[in-house]
Amino acid sequence: GQQVMQIPQYQHVQEGEDFTTYCNSSTTLSNIQWYKQRPGGHPVFLIQLVKSGEVKKQKRLTFQFGEAKKNSSLHITATQTTDVGTYFCGRSSNTGKLIFGQGTTLQVKP
Amino acid sequence: EPEVTQTPSHQVTQMGQEVILRCVPISNHLYFYWYRQILGQKVEFLVSFYNNEISEKSEIFDDQFSVERPDGSNFTLKIRSTKLEDSAMYFCASSPTSGRTRTPFGPGTRLTVL
Repeated sequence: GQQVMQIPQYQHVQEGEDFTTYCNSSTTLSNIQWYKQRPGGHPVFLIQLVKSGEVKKQKRLTFQFGEAKKNSSLHITATQTTDVGTYFCGRSSNTGKLIFGQGTTLQVKP
Repeated sequence: EPEVTQTPSHQVTQMGQEVILRCVPISNHLYFYWYRQILGQKVEFLVSFYNNEISEKSEIFDDQFSVERPDGSNFTLKIRSTKLEDSAMYFCASSPTSGRTRTPFGPGTRLTVL
């Protein structure tokens, strides 16, 4: 019930192509957070979404929270080699515990 | 910008030995966490700590694990008798409040159990 499922597991794109990763839950989420982990690095907070249908943008990154608050997506427009890494979605509980999805590893070919 | 720090960056130990992983959370944060990431897998919650006691722990956090805040700045994770399957990256994190807030992670300690 607490799990968040993330797809795809891996994505290889040519530099300049777009990229999307999806996060799904069987239960309604109070919030969704997105983190990026560079190879050999640690998770770095990107954004939090809390409202139904919310859309937030950070430069080339667009984050969406579904109307039913059961899914979310991260879309990167015109990928760059600096976008390489693993993108995790996660839900935060009232105690602050983060439950992460399996992550989507993005490889960008220059 | 304040950061969570962790030491050591890499710890190698023999199976059955005790290890202590150290973390310095961000100074005005009140909630502290440990997470584990086995190579190539997702980040898994281990334990949360608030007001000098464990507030929540996962199934992974069995009797071999303990956490402590020995002074006003450090937060430690102890594994009493390490097993091969404890080999992983261990991340410390902290937050100013519980619940829906950004949670900065430390750079991690890579634990290798031989």
